[in-house]
Amino acid sequence: QKEVEQDPGPLSVPEGAIVSLNCTYSNSAFQYFMWYRQYSRKGPELLMYTYSSGNKEDGRFTAQVDKSSKYISLFIRDSQPSDSATYLCAMSLQGAQKLVFGQGTRLTINP
Amino acid sequence: NAGVTQTPKFRVLKTGQSMTLLCAQDMNHEYMYWYRQDPGMGLRLIHYSVGEGTTAKGEVPDGYNVSRLKKQNFLLGLESAAPSQTSVYFCASVLAGKETQYFGPGTRLLVL
Repeated sequence: QKEVEQDPGPLSVPEGAIVSLNCTYSNSAFQYFMWYRQYSRKGPELLMYTYSSGNKEDGRFTAQVDKSSKYISLFIRDSQPSDSATYLCAMSLQGAQKLVFGQGTRLTINP
Repeated sequence: NAGVTQTPKFRVLKTGQSMTLLCAQDMNHEYMYWYRQDPGMGLRLIHYSVGEGTTAKGEVPDGYNVSRLKKQNFLLGLESAAPSQTSVYFCASVLAGKETQYFGPGTRLLVL
């Protein structure tokens, strides 16, 4: 079993829909949780960063961490065609030098 | 401020050939990483470095070597390329004590 599991999709939704992307993990010691967005033929770029449990909102994006369930989510409100990309979750231990990535979910927003 | 740059952008190799991928960063980051990305596999860590002159193995180090002679550069070498090394390679860097990794644009490698 992988340490971080993420449904690779692909996921296709109409413009304006609310998108929910999720990851589960097995290591309860993870403390830092991130979402990276990767456009086609580009490098990943950090989208959201959360420490420990709770919610974090940034514009149309909301990241949630539920440590009791070992489950993290990224919500995109009012999705736009420009949100079409692969979304990778990543997490790390306190003081760790490495990130553990999920497989990535390919998302397409249809106009 | 160019961030993280990678050279070359694309390369085709024949089985058994060798090559070196170069990663450079101008953010004075201590830590640097090499990943490979394959369909359905996400990002897998090959090797990483926590400082000049130091390197460590990641999840999939076999067939690769690395060197960090200068703080701003991290080299990934393939001594004898194999078709299984066909992939997209990403370099990343991060400031010591931080978790946010900054990625380069990637190098696409095809081994025939």
